[in-house]
Amino acid sequence: AQSVAQPEDQVNVAEGNPLTVKCTYSVSGNPYLFWYVQYPNRGLQFLLKYITGDNLVKGSYGFEAEFNKSQTSFHLKKPSALVSDSALYFCAVKLDSNYQLIWGAGTKLIIKP
Amino acid sequence: DSGVTQTPKHLITATGQRVTLRCSPRSGDLSVYWYQQSLDQGLQFLIQYYNGEERAKGNILERFSAQQFPDLHSELNLSSLELGDSALYFCASSPSDRVNSPLHFGNGTRLTVT
Repeated sequence: AQSVAQPEDQVNVAEGNPLTVKCTYSVSGNPYLFWYVQYPNRGLQFLLKYITGDNLVKGSYGFEAEFNKSQTSFHLKKPSALVSDSALYFCAVKLDSNYQLIWGAGTKLIIKP
Repeated sequence: DSGVTQTPKHLITATGQRVTLRCSPRSGDLSVYWYQQSLDQGLQFLIQYYNGEERAKGNILERFSAQQFPDLHSELNLSSLELGDSALYFCASSPSDRVNSPLHFGNGTRLTVT
C-alpha cells in the first residue's frame, strides 16, 4: 500500500542549531514529494516540492529537502533554526498517475530559545 | 494570505443538525479540495472538485456532500452531525486538477458539535 511516514511526532531543537524533520514514503511509481507547514490556527502553507531533477530542493523560509531514492526519504532541513519555525510540518506524496496526495501524520517542531 | 477564503471561521452546533461550510478559491484556481483535520485522525482528504465537476473522492461520509458552483466557490454540507464530526475543515485550491502545483489552503472552519 502507498504510504507516507513521519516517524517523529515531535522534534525539539535549540535556536540556531540545524534541524531535520524526517519523511519516508512507500510508493510503487515515481513520486512527487511535498512539504507543508501549519502554524497555529492557520491553514497549511506550501514549503517546497520535488518533482524531478536535482535531489536537493530549496524552498521558503530557508528550508530545503533532500530526495533520496534509495532510502525512499525526503527529509526537511534547515541549517539554523529560528523560534518562529515552531509549527506542525506535513510531508505529502503523489504519484504521477494519481490525482491525490497521501499525507503524513505531521511532525510538531519546537524550537527553544 | 493564501487567497482562499473560508466562512464561517467557527461553528458550534448540536448533534443531529446540518451545517454548510463555504469556500472561495484563489482567483484563477479551478480545483477545490476539502480536508478534515482532527487530533486523532490527522489530515483526511474528503473530496475534490474541478471546474464544477467532482474529480476525486476520499474518506467522505455519506452524511457529507459538497458541490462547486459556476463561480467556482464550493460548499461542504454536513448533516446528521455527530460529536465525532468536531474538527477543523479546510478548503484548498489549485489551478489544475492535478496536485503537481502547490495547494493553497484557507484558514479553516472549526466545527464544534455539542
